[in-house]
Amino acid sequence: EVQLVESGGGLVQPGRSLRLSCTASGFTFGDYAMSWFRQAPGKGLEWVGLIRSKAYGGTTEYAASVKGRFTISRDDSKSIAYLQMNSLTTEDTAVYYCSRDYWSGSNLFDYWGQGTLVTVSS
Amino acid sequence: DIQMTQSPSSLSASVGDRVTITCRASQSISSYLNWYQQKPGKAPKLLIYTASSLQSGVPSRFSGSGSGTHFTLTISSLQPEDFATYYCQQSFSARLAFGGGTKVEIK
Repeated sequence: EVQLVESGGGLVQPGRSLRLSCTASGFTFGDYAMSWFRQAPGKGLEWVGLIRSKAYGGTTEYAASVKGRFTISRDDSKSIAYLQMNSLTTEDTAVYYCSRDYWSGSNLFDYWGQGTLVTVSS
Repeated sequence: DIQMTQSPSSLSASVGDRVTITCRASQSISSYLNWYQQKPGKAPKLLIYTASSLQSGVPSRFSGSGSGTHFTLTISSLQPEDFATYYCQQSFSARLAFGGGTKVEIK
């Protein structure tokens, strides 16, 4: 059974950093691109960024709102994707989800984690 | 970046109604359009991919159509479990984007 579990969320002060993890099981993690999304309270879904599989160069893409502040990485040996978030602002307060590509390069998402809440507040 | 616009942002409907939600892209995205359903406190669920392909396990009352810049999601006969928020998402460009969502409420 495919499972994605996000962790690392919590309360953080503006300007600080936080790293989220997405631990995967039930599939060959290294074969899939992984994406991060977020949803601010009462708002819609926002794509944050993605990391391609090593077969596609392991390259990353980011939304304009987080580019230069957020970094996505992966450890295929541990089946974990990471979202490093720096210079956080109150606008980054949201539930953060990870998801995997339905098939390589599809950029659509069949399995999602349950989400982890990040609250940026002083 | 490609912008996705959904309409309406919300609607009220009764069980058994036919419901149609529209999604427009700011430029042609061919058929690279997907639909998700989200219920409160839950992760999104993939319903339709590449404009008209029904995801496995999704009831056949859901259907999608369109290409280029104009797409629709139709629920042929609304059921109680369909009250949720629906999002379109373009997968044409690497910089992915969602529509703003359509909340389907009980009339």
